Amino acid sequence: DAKTTQPNSMESNEEEPVHLPCNHSTISGTDYIHWYRQLPSQGPEYVIHGLTSNVNNRMASLAIAEDRKSSTLILHRATLRDAAVYYCILRPGGTDNYGQNFVFGPGTRLSVLP
Amino acid sequence: AAGVIQSPRHLIKEKRETATLKCYPIPRHDTVYWYQQGPGQDPQFLISFYEKMQSDKGSIPDRFSAQQFSDYHSELNMSSLELGDSALYFCASSFGGTQYFGPGTRLLVL
Repeated sequence: DAKTTQPNSMESNEEEPVHLPCNHSTISGTDYIHWYRQLPSQGPEYVIHGLTSNVNNRMASLAIAEDRKSSTLILHRATLRDAAVYYCILRPGGTDNYGQNFVFGPGTRLSVLP
Repeated sequence: AAGVIQSPRHLIKEKRETATLKCYPIPRHDTVYWYQQGPGQDPQFLISFYEKMQSDKGSIPDRFSAQQFSDYHSELNMSSLELGDSALYFCASSFGGTQYFGPGTRLLVL
């Protein structure tokens, strides 16, 4: 399984943007980059995913480096409800890989200060 | 939108007892995954099923078994429970690659 590296923790002030980095230098050409977050005692929640191009949705933006060896999850205005552990996960592409498990790494614990 | 349903949400068992956890995937999702998350740990993959066939297997103990039924729901059967089995158990479902997780079953083994 391709490996990702994230900071153990980050802190942000409420209503400010947050940039959560992820390094994945061993990513293969068909790996998708997924981001999930987990609040205490809840199931992981899908945030966003991408392959090569930057992606935006109602929750966040995903900026992918041109060489795809790193990516950044951007929360445009952090709220207290965004405090969670954020996981960056690589998923092999292709229909042969349906059912492939996710490897949850240490992730980044984001604290949001009021 | 419909989400993944897990039952029961909480379960208390004694050592050496058995437990069955159930997972109802999002409608039209054909793949189900099971993860275990111990206290203070990250979710760990146990097993997955695609179109009712086992697709991938992780660090699932031999005491555990699982299957996916014709209606795509899945059950995780756990026997000879040990104290170390106390954890949150998450089920996820997908149609394609993105997994959507349920709220989990909290199992406490006494």
